[in-house]
Amino acid sequence: QQQVKQSPQSLIVQKGGISIINCAYENTAFDYFPWYQQFPGKGPALLIAIRPDVSEKKEGRFTISFNKSAKQFSLHIMDSQPGDSATYFCAASIENSGGYQKVTFGIGTKLQVIP
Amino acid sequence: DTAVSQTPKYLVTQMGNDKSIKCEQNLGHDTMYWYKQDSKKFLKIMFSYNNKELIINETVPNRFSPKSPDKAHLNLHINSLELGDSAVYFCASSMGSGGPTDTQYFGPGTRLTVL
Repeated sequence: QQQVKQSPQSLIVQKGGISIINCAYENTAFDYFPWYQQFPGKGPALLIAIRPDVSEKKEGRFTISFNKSAKQFSLHIMDSQPGDSATYFCAASIENSGGYQKVTFGIGTKLQVIP
Repeated sequence: DTAVSQTPKYLVTQMGNDKSIKCEQNLGHDTMYWYKQDSKKFLKIMFSYNNKELIINETVPNRFSPKSPDKAHLNLHINSLELGDSAVYFCASSMGSGGPTDTQYFGPGTRLTVL
């Protein structure tokens, strides 16, 4: 059972274009929504994150849009560059019974930005 | 000066063997994790330790046994390896503050291939 659904699984965007990756979740107890970026042969690295009480967060060319009522959130990469080519994971975290955060990842989106 | 390091980077072994993967972090973090990333890139939490104590234990076969000799190390021992264990295993660490913004830092991964 996939608690965080991510689409598309692959995306090809022209250099300078906008890359959009969408995620949806079911569990309203999730309280933090990070996005991770993974380059081939490397571990995932935190890119940007948002709390559910905020509708948008922007860091440079990366923006998260969050729709709490629809239980959806998305990552927008403006002016996409070939160096952005990587796999992007949305995630959602929830506090477990011991008070620690457990992160659930989406399936990942392989982004290719072509010159 | 790798923050989270794993050894070995690649591990090829026969079915039925027992193997270990080591993880070390020099970030002074209190919490460490093991994730499994399958061939479809799906990333799933396996275990988490905080100050050498187990805090997250997902539904993982008991052939997998994590061991934390101290808070800077979390090793993963796998008994009686099966073909389905082939995957990339990522270690991660976080401050362990318990809050939702407790960023996880991932190691470079260990690619395990079971023949």
